[in-house]
Amino acid sequence: DAGVTQSPTHLIKTRGQQVTLRCSPKSGHDTVSWYQQALGQGPQFIFQYYEEEERQRGNFPDRFSGHQFPNYSSELNVNALLLGDSALYLCASSLLTGEETQYFGPGTRLLVL
Amino acid sequence: SQQGEEDPQALSIQEGENATMNCSYKTSINNLQWYRQNSGRGLVHLILIRSNEREKHSGRLRVTLDTSKKSSSLLITASRAADTASYFCATAGKGSYIPTFGRGTSLIVHP
Repeated sequence: DAGVTQSPTHLIKTRGQQVTLRCSPKSGHDTVSWYQQALGQGPQFIFQYYEEEERQRGNFPDRFSGHQFPNYSSELNVNALLLGDSALYLCASSLLTGEETQYFGPGTRLLVL
Repeated sequence: SQQGEEDPQALSIQEGENATMNCSYKTSINNLQWYRQNSGRGLVHLILIRSNEREKHSGRLRVTLDTSKKSSSLLITASRAADTASYFCATAGKGSYIPTFGRGTSLIVHP
């Protein structure tokens, strides 16, 4: 049973560029959430996708957008990268109906220079 | 803003000792969860305790919840070097399944 997978594992970008991160949920899960974790901090909720729509959103600017595909996989896009976007980006999957536990992927470490 | 705040920020103990971490939060919750993170990688779910529960056990882990004090504790008994990690509490508010994480406690267990 495959767990949550994310790609790429590491990424280096320059200020102003755009980046796309990918996530495949745990088998059987239909909901994907994205988190940003800065160094020394806890994960911060970006948004959650279910049935290919954004269901909830945290306090992040519109530069952060996402997408969910019919196979439940998801992408996180960040436009006009800032130095402060450097962080570990975590994807978590769950079942919407009553599943309280989220299963996290290994993360994508993004460095913006 | 982060709902849960863990205490202490860092904890260093010897193998075999017990480790206790605390979490305080501000608003009413639906549930509280504890996660472990090794070396900046993905989070591993340890245990979930609901607002109507007071104590839960899982192997060497014991979690308590005091909703009147808005606090929780995670006890790891007979710690091992492999328990070295950061531990986060995450709270889900009433009517929400989105966990809000604290800054975590960094635990180092010396062999």
